[in-house]
Amino acid sequence: EVQLVESGGGLVQPGGSLRLSCVASGFSLSSYWMGWLRQAPGKGLEWVANIKGDGSQIYFVDSLRGRFTISRDNAKNSLYLQMNSLRADDTAVYYCARLEGGAAPGPFPYDSWGQGTLVTVSA
Amino acid sequence: ETVLTQSPDFQSVTPKEKVTITCRASENIGTNLHWYQQKPHQSPKLLIKYASQSFSGVPSRFSGSGSGTDFTLIINSLEAEDAATYYCHQSNGVPWTFGQGTKVEIK
Repeated sequence: EVQLVESGGGLVQPGGSLRLSCVASGFSLSSYWMGWLRQAPGKGLEWVANIKGDGSQIYFVDSLRGRFTISRDNAKNSLYLQMNSLRADDTAVYYCARLEGGAAPGPFPYDSWGQGTLVTVSA
Repeated sequence: ETVLTQSPDFQSVTPKEKVTITCRASENIGTNLHWYQQKPHQSPKLLIKYASQSFSGVPSRFSGSGSGTDFTLIINSLEAEDAATYYCHQSNGVPWTFGQGTKVEIK
């Protein structure tokens, strides 16, 4: 069974940093593109970034590039989101999700999602 | 950036009724359009991929259609467990974007 478990969320002051982790099980992480998405309280879904199975290709939403970094450690079955210079409007549930297509690039949907981890940016 | 506009924003429906949700894209995205269901306090779940293909395990009452800029999600014979917010999502071009969501409430 495919499982994605996020962790690392919490309360952080404006300007602070957090690193989110997502541990995958039930499949070979290295064989899949993965992504991070977020959802502000009571709001819709927002795409953050995707990363190729070997980490060699990354796509990021323009508004977060430079403050956020996506990475992965396939040996640890883990995906990461490093978030710096956090602002109040970064407050959201952050989800990691698997892209359906495996290692190939393409316009794939997200076929598995984690339960999410809440990041709250507040003084 | 491709903007996805869903309608309606909210729908209150009686069980066994048919629900129709539309998603309009600001540019041609072919069939690179997917639908997700999100129940309260849960993560989204994939329902329909590439506009009309049912994802594994999804009940047959969910169907999708469309291409280009206009897409539709249909729920035939709504069940109480279908109370949720439904999102369309385009993966045709970066940045990937989502519709604002359609909340379906059971009367």
